[in-house]
Amino acid sequence: GESVGLHLPTLSVQEGDNSIINCAYSNSASDYFIWYKQESGKGPQFIIDIRSNMDKRQGQRVTVLLNKTVKHLSLQIAATQPGDSAVYFCAEKVGSSYKLIFGSGTRLLVRP
Amino acid sequence: DADVTQTPRNRITKTGKRIMLECSQTKGHDRMYWYRQDPGLGLRLIYYSFDVKDINKGEISDGYSVSRQAQAKFSLSLESAIPNQTALYFCATSDLRDPDGELFFGEGSRLTVL
Repeated sequence: GESVGLHLPTLSVQEGDNSIINCAYSNSASDYFIWYKQESGKGPQFIIDIRSNMDKRQGQRVTVLLNKTVKHLSLQIAATQPGDSAVYFCAEKVGSSYKLIFGSGTRLLVRP
Repeated sequence: DADVTQTPRNRITKTGKRIMLECSQTKGHDRMYWYRQDPGLGLRLIYYSFDVKDINKGEISDGYSVSRQAQAKFSLSLESAIPNQTALYFCATSDLRDPDGELFFGEGSRLTVL
């Protein structure tokens, strides 16, 4: 069945280092992917998205990479800051479907 | 003020009790959703509504019901709560005009069923 999963449930990084959060997806028909950030006590917030016709998209300090060959998605955070500590979710969608399939999340801990 | 507001934020109840979680939004979005989040699992869709007269089951609707009282209000009910419904519940909205359907989430309602 369709699934979106993550390789690492918890990632601990030193403040100032770069972080890489990975996600695997299984539905080759998925053509739109999103990363969400969920801070403690809050709802998920959109970070960045990417369509399947792209392999890289950059935002402010964040970059999403998409490798359709191996069905892999990653979120790179440059110069990780304490405020980046949160749970990060990837999600996928097919076409105009309303339905987002969420991964289980990776917790990012930033060490001072 | 939050664009998507959920009440209550925390609730502890007993098995068999009826519980209602409420959601209101000021974003003017037509589409509203209720998700459930459990530790170690991703968000799972319970119900969704694309307008006031439209209600649809999501992937885990058993044991839940919803009411779309107005464009801005979407409530989730547990008619007879059971312990495995202990979870964090999120309401979300999206704009009908957005082809990507970006979701805007509330801050969550933590429900504990004893």
